[in-house]
Amino acid sequence: AQSVTQPDIHITVSEGASLELRCNYSYGATPYLFWYVQSPGQGLQLLLKYFSGDTLVQGIKGFEAEFKRSQSSFNLRKPSVHWSDAAEYFCAVGNQAGTALIFGKGTTLSVSS
Amino acid sequence: EAGVTQSPTHLIKTRGQQVTLRCSPISGHTSVYWYQQALGLGLQFLLWYDEGEERNRGNFPPRFSGRQFPNYSSELNVNALELEDSALYLCASSLRDRAYGYTFGSGTRLTVV
Repeated sequence: AQSVTQPDIHITVSEGASLELRCNYSYGATPYLFWYVQSPGQGLQLLLKYFSGDTLVQGIKGFEAEFKRSQSSFNLRKPSVHWSDAAEYFCAVGNQAGTALIFGKGTTLSVSS
Repeated sequence: EAGVTQSPTHLIKTRGQQVTLRCSPISGHTSVYWYQQALGLGLQFLLWYDEGEERNRGNFPPRFSGRQFPNYSSELNVNALELEDSALYLCASSLRDRAYGYTFGSGTRLTVV
């Protein structure tokens, strides 16, 4: 079955520290992979996406993610977290055919001072 | 460029009533997706419209329906509202080339009392 797993429900990171949010997927076809961020009561903002090419992709707000096919993972990283990064982060998988994105349950990021 | 717009932003309805939510995709986007984000349940796929046709639907009862108009805007209709329909309803749009990603609106917050 197609699925996305985000193992960490809630993560707290100190401001200025590095961040890694984990995402594992199970998908039969060649996946398109996405990370979205959602602030409370808001819609989803696309941070970055991967569909082919360089497995390390850069996104907005200083985020990056690395696609590892052998591990079926697409982990999100940021070298130095800012208080404004506190939000919920969703990993999602799709494909070129346009089948609806499948989302993970999300990881809530808290940033401590 | 205008983003995906959804209306209304908030809505309160009584159990048993009917509701219509609206979504205008980004200009040039032909696909529209509807998601339900209920508390604690993550993002659940509802419906996918492309070129005016329903392409797929998620595991929701038939009282959830919709349509896509010739200008690619879309409506989501929910009949016989139940308390558990209270959620944030998100609309997303995409180009035919999904590698460009999916853009989400800010959602409609539906409260059923």
